Amino acid sequence: GQSLEQPSEVTAVEGAIVQINCTYQTSGFYGLSWYQQHDGGAPTFLSYNALDGLEETGRFSSFLSRSDSYGYLLLQELQMKDSASYFCAVRANGGATNKLIFGTGTLLAVQP
Amino acid sequence: NAGVTQTPKFRVLKTGQSMTLLCAQDMNHEYMYWYRQDPGMGLRLIHYSVGEGTTAKGEVPDGYNVSRLKKQNFLLGLESAAPSQTSVYFCASIPRQGGITGELPGELFFGEGSRLTVL
Repeated sequence: GQSLEQPSEVTAVEGAIVQINCTYQTSGFYGLSWYQQHDGGAPTFLSYNALDGLEETGRFSSFLSRSDSYGYLLLQELQMKDSASYFCAVRANGGATNKLIFGTGTLLAVQP
Repeated sequence: NAGVTQTPKFRVLKTGQSMTLLCAQDMNHEYMYWYRQDPGMGLRLIHYSVGEGTTAKGEVPDGYNVSRLKKQNFLLGLESAAPSQTSVYFCASIPRQGGITGELPGELFFGEGSRLTVL
């Protein structure tokens, strides 16, 4: 089967840096994605890593280590609007089809 | 360009009633997914489709059926609704990996969600 683990809650102050970790177990791994979801809204795509290393997109960066089945999302210069839930998701090939499985999410609270 | 559209956005059902949620996408995406989201449970995959006329079970398929008669539409049916199916349902689509549309292979496009309450 496939599973992903991430912390349930993280708290940080405005202007700080926070890292949200994700470990996964899956077969036929294609890549690790990150999504942001504000309360009541649809998840929105943040980043995608198919290869090992760091991908940077503005204040957000995402890292992947396939050998460790591990990735993280790094948020810099935190702003109040970054308060949201963050989900990692694995795109895996199970039986020649593509499933996208999500972690349970990390609730980030940014405090002034 | 509407993206992914879900209807209805809100619905209240009585136990035992049936209903269908419609997901429509206008991006010519191959893959479509239905998820449910419950507090503290994240997004759980119900069923998915990798192309017109094909469907497959996800993590929590029991009590649901799906159909993909047209490439742009993915229907989720509840034959006999139960209170345990009270949830927010999200539809999403993605192009085939390596497709010509230019989107990143990891980028799911979500609908706005459908809030279902079963009394």
